[in-house]
Amino acid sequence: ILNVEQSPQSLHVQEGDSTNFTCSFPSSNFYALHWYRWETAKSPEALFVMTLNGDEKKKGRISATLNTKEGYSYLYIKGSQPEDSATYLCAFTLLSGATNKLIFGTGTLLAVQP
Amino acid sequence: KAGVTQTPRYLIKTRGQQVTLSCSPISGHRSVSWYQQTPGQGLQFLFEYFSETQRNKGNFPGRFSGRQFSNSRSEMNVSTLELGDSALYLCASSSGQGAGTEAFFGQGTRLTVV
Repeated sequence: ILNVEQSPQSLHVQEGDSTNFTCSFPSSNFYALHWYRWETAKSPEALFVMTLNGDEKKKGRISATLNTKEGYSYLYIKGSQPEDSATYLCAFTLLSGATNKLIFGTGTLLAVQP
Repeated sequence: KAGVTQTPRYLIKTRGQQVTLSCSPISGHRSVSWYQQTPGQGLQFLFEYFSETQRNKGNFPGRFSGRQFSNSRSEMNVSTLELGDSALYLCASSSGQGAGTEAFFGQGTRLTVV
């Protein structure tokens, strides 16, 4: 069974705090790791797609790193703002032919208090 | 560029009935995947279609089926509805032919079975 574990399940922080979440995935047959942000009543929005060990990606105050050998990725948010409140999902795709199948974790729910 | 459109947004059906959900992908995208989210569960992969062919299938009973048309629009059908089929159903479209391609999600169809 291929499992993606995300921690913590939920996080409540104050505006201005920096946060980080963890995503653990099976390292064998790994192809790509995706991070999504999902705000209530909206569509999940892609943040990053990473494939190479040691990859680091950044978009504004949000950044992510990837370690494919040990099977984990970190997502960092610097100086959290109330608009960052959302569920952050990670998902991976397998190295198994031409498929876009995503295997998701259950997400980390972030609430940023003003 | 229009995003991924899912219709209807909300549905209430009775046990034993069947239902059809629709997904129009981003123009030019040939891959459409379907996911189910139930309370407490992560997004679960149902199936993926690419150029009118089912390319991958998740671990769901045969009551769940889908198809894709020549214009890449996709439909998902659930027959003999059960209470446990109540969920948010999301579709995602991708342009690429392989893993690691960014997926764009619709807002989902919320199905309630009573």
